Amino acid sequence: DTEVTQTPKHLVMGMTNKKSLKCEQHMGHRAMYWYKQKAKKPPELMFVYSYEKLSINESVPSRFSPECPNSSLLNLHLHALQPEDSALYLCASSPEAGIAKNIQYFGAGTRLSVL
Amino acid sequence: AQTVTQSQPEMSVQEAETVTLSCTYDTSESNYYLFWYKQPPSRQMILVIRQEAYKQQNATENRFSVNFQKAAKSFSLKISDSQLGDTAMYFCAFYGGATNKLIFGTGTLLAVQP
Repeated sequence: DTEVTQTPKHLVMGMTNKKSLKCEQHMGHRAMYWYKQKAKKPPELMFVYSYEKLSINESVPSRFSPECPNSSLLNLHLHALQPEDSALYLCASSPEAGIAKNIQYFGAGTRLSVL
Repeated sequence: AQTVTQSQPEMSVQEAETVTLSCTYDTSESNYYLFWYKQPPSRQMILVIRQEAYKQQNATENRFSVNFQKAAKSFSLKISDSQLGDTAMYFCAFYGGATNKLIFGTGTLLAVQP
């Protein structure tokens, strides 16, 4: 089973709303990732969690707030987003963050539209 | 800095034929991994194949195989007996210990024609 589950599939929010994206995996992976993907572009890394601790933040604006409550779950809290934040948000997990075990499995993504 | 280049923005192939997607990369590292991911219109990024840099043997996965030329820093993907379900965006990606990040190329949009 190489399943990473993301909810919701689609999300429309206003610029003053607060919402959260959820990502779950039950593969026993200890590294989890958030990516942002614009249409016809490659994914851009946002955050990396390793053993439930934030290890990489790619200078993401504070209106995006990640959270890793346990080893299976990763959240992305959204607040005061801008229209340019509209994108596909992908979650991924890998056995570990280190090079030897970094095979990343992706979820189907959340399509976010900010009005 | 590591870079990944896919020089073919779009390609087309007839069903049942063979197609090769190109990828080149630049790195000063000796130990790294290379990947091909497929992203169909359904959006999910699917791992197609992985190659470890220290292995000379080219990786294969059913109809998918790679031609890994380490000295030339080239990592092409060959799809044999193309099927309609192979229609997707294909991303080449690099992972090395120096950055600990998956670095993607710009992608090749492959259309399999009936």
